[in-house]
Amino acid sequence: ETGVTQTPRHLVMGMTNKKSLKCEQHLGHNAMYWYKQSAKKPLELMFVYSLEERVENNSVPSRFSPECPNSSHLFLHLHTLQPEDSALYLCASSQAPGTGTPLHFGNGTRLTVT
Amino acid sequence: GQNIDQPTEMTATEGAIVQINCTYQTSGFNGLFWYQQHAGEAPTFLSYNVLDGLEEKGRFSSFLSRSKGYSYLLLKELQMKDSASYLCAVMDSNYQLIWGAGTKLIIKP
Repeated sequence: ETGVTQTPRHLVMGMTNKKSLKCEQHLGHNAMYWYKQSAKKPLELMFVYSLEERVENNSVPSRFSPECPNSSHLFLHLHTLQPEDSALYLCASSQAPGTGTPLHFGNGTRLTVT
Repeated sequence: GQNIDQPTEMTATEGAIVQINCTYQTSGFNGLFWYQQHAGEAPTFLSYNVLDGLEEKGRFSSFLSRSKGYSYLLLKELQMKDSASYLCAVMDSNYQLIWGAGTKLIIKP
């Protein structure tokens, strides 16, 4: 399924670098999400956008900055990250947040901070 | 606090049946999801239960007991391609998804 596409698939960056993760959904959904997935830990919700407006920010450090220019695109801008930020970053979309409709995930970006 | 418990890892034999349990303690309940995630890939939706009972979808079934805070995912006629992690998630009273850490299922020939 190519409904949610994330780029790049892999990213290695130093602690002083600035990079961006990109997500695009082709499903006509109204909500988009960023999740962090670390080994053997539950998915951590980072940001939720509904109709291009941020509706939730789960106390994420300011070194992570989301951007949602339209309902199909979502970015996560990264700067001055820490090694503990190394993880799989998953983008997802759904018809609407807070309903029984399932999330559709992208394949994620595997981020390594050196 | 809110909590989802599921076994870290399970092993089963090709052709057999396996049951993956999920217990939850959450602030309210608005449904329970199961997702499958193959290594290096996206989680994909398997099932959604909001009422008690068993929902069957081919080789996969999902059961819910709200009074016991309990669900299980039943996989029949296991195939090698079923080797994956299985994620349980509960939607609480605020419609927030609370996730378990996932169960890694290993299928042996």
